[in-house]
Amino acid sequence: GAVVSQHPSWVICKSGTSVKIECRSLDFQATTMFWYRQFPKQSLMLMATSNEGSKATYEQGVEKDKFLINHASLTLSTLTVTSAHPEDSSFYICSARSAGTGTDTQYFGPGTRLTVL
Amino acid sequence: GESVGLHLPTLSVQEGDNSIINCAYSNSASDYFIWYKQESGKGPQFIIDIRSNMDKRQGQRVTVLLNKTVKHLSLQIAATQPGDSAVYFCAENISGSARQLTFGSGTQLTVLP
Repeated sequence: GAVVSQHPSWVICKSGTSVKIECRSLDFQATTMFWYRQFPKQSLMLMATSNEGSKATYEQGVEKDKFLINHASLTLSTLTVTSAHPEDSSFYICSARSAGTGTDTQYFGPGTRLTVL
Repeated sequence: GESVGLHLPTLSVQEGDNSIINCAYSNSASDYFIWYKQESGKGPQFIIDIRSNMDKRQGQRVTVLLNKTVKHLSLQIAATQPGDSAVYFCAENISGSARQLTFGSGTQLTVLP
């Protein structure tokens, strides 16, 4: 149980285009989903916290107009990187926390490798 | 600010030996801790968790030890195998909190043949 998927697993795009990444909880309902960015040999950097049906909360320094997050259902959150530039190239990982009571564990997706040319 | 950190950034062990990965945390209010394993190019994978009402918890080949007095957490892997090579992160949180987990910087475990 507690499987989180991401799609696509990797994407290459041209500078200036937008890319959408999907995060799905496959066998549980997630009231909260988190989006992270990870650079090589570094820890995960939280970008935003997404609660179903409400606006995402962005971490300091993360542009909300550039990284659009939508959490329309208890099993799906999307991250759209708008007008992508080479510096946006990174490994993007989502995680989901179950809607059940007493559940504090976050389960992670497999990540999406974004390369902007 | 509050943080979770690791004593050793890299660890190399011989196949078959036991591995011990350490983690220090600074938020004394934290009462829930998780170890994750992240293989290259993949997302973190849940290994084992422990709550502050316990000081030891065992899983399959893994044991987590919690010392609340010195705010220290460790992950022990028995009979380390090549497939255990990965980066290991500890994470902490407060039960029931809306916060996301606070992650340590990670330890790269390399299993030598």
